[in-house]
Amino acid sequence: KQEVTQIPAALSVPEGENLVLNCSFTDSAIYNLQWFRQDPGKGLTSLLLIQSSQREQTSGRLNASLDKSSGRSTLYIAASQPGDSATYLCAVGGGYQKVTFGTGTKLQVIP
Amino acid sequence: NAGVTQTPKFQVLKTGQSMTLQCAQDMNHEYMSWYRQDPGMGLRLIHYSVGAGITDQGEVPNGYNVSRSTTEDFPLRLLSAAPSQTSVYFCASSYSDRPYEQYFGPGTRLTVT
Repeated sequence: KQEVTQIPAALSVPEGENLVLNCSFTDSAIYNLQWFRQDPGKGLTSLLLIQSSQREQTSGRLNASLDKSSGRSTLYIAASQPGDSATYLCAVGGGYQKVTFGTGTKLQVIP
Repeated sequence: NAGVTQTPKFQVLKTGQSMTLQCAQDMNHEYMSWYRQDPGMGLRLIHYSVGAGITDQGEVPNGYNVSRSTTEDFPLRLLSAAPSQTSVYFCASSYSDRPYEQYFGPGTRLTVT
């Protein structure tokens, strides 16, 4: 059974700092890996989707990498802003309906 | 487009009561699903549907029923609420050929006392 872990559970950084969020998974036979953002009282918003054949994806200040062999993905956020404060979830796709979510990292960016 | 809408936003039930959580989408998505989110456990799939008239169970289906009579609506029914069903419930939808590009609703926070 796939298990997805995100450490740390919470992170607080000063504005402007570059930061890395981590996601690890136990079964490397994945189709893709997705990073979501969740704001309080809101649903999930997809940030980046990395297919299993890809190593990384970039969108603006965000860069996500995938290393299937080691069961790890990282989400890099450059020049963090207070508006980046949210909970970040990673989700591993193992098939059409087999998506396993991590428990998330709650990020606070302090002005 | 309103996207994915869910009602109600908050609900308190007593043990044994039944209720229906509503979910609707206006993007003509074939695929719809229900998740629950609990502290320390991540989102877990309850039920899903690949089109009108077709539903199937996810990871944690016990205590829940679904039906899909139209493309737009996918209600989730709690038959006899239990405290273990206290959670935040999310509905999501996507095109069937892009199942991982899911659009999520804002969630329903349910408390069962």
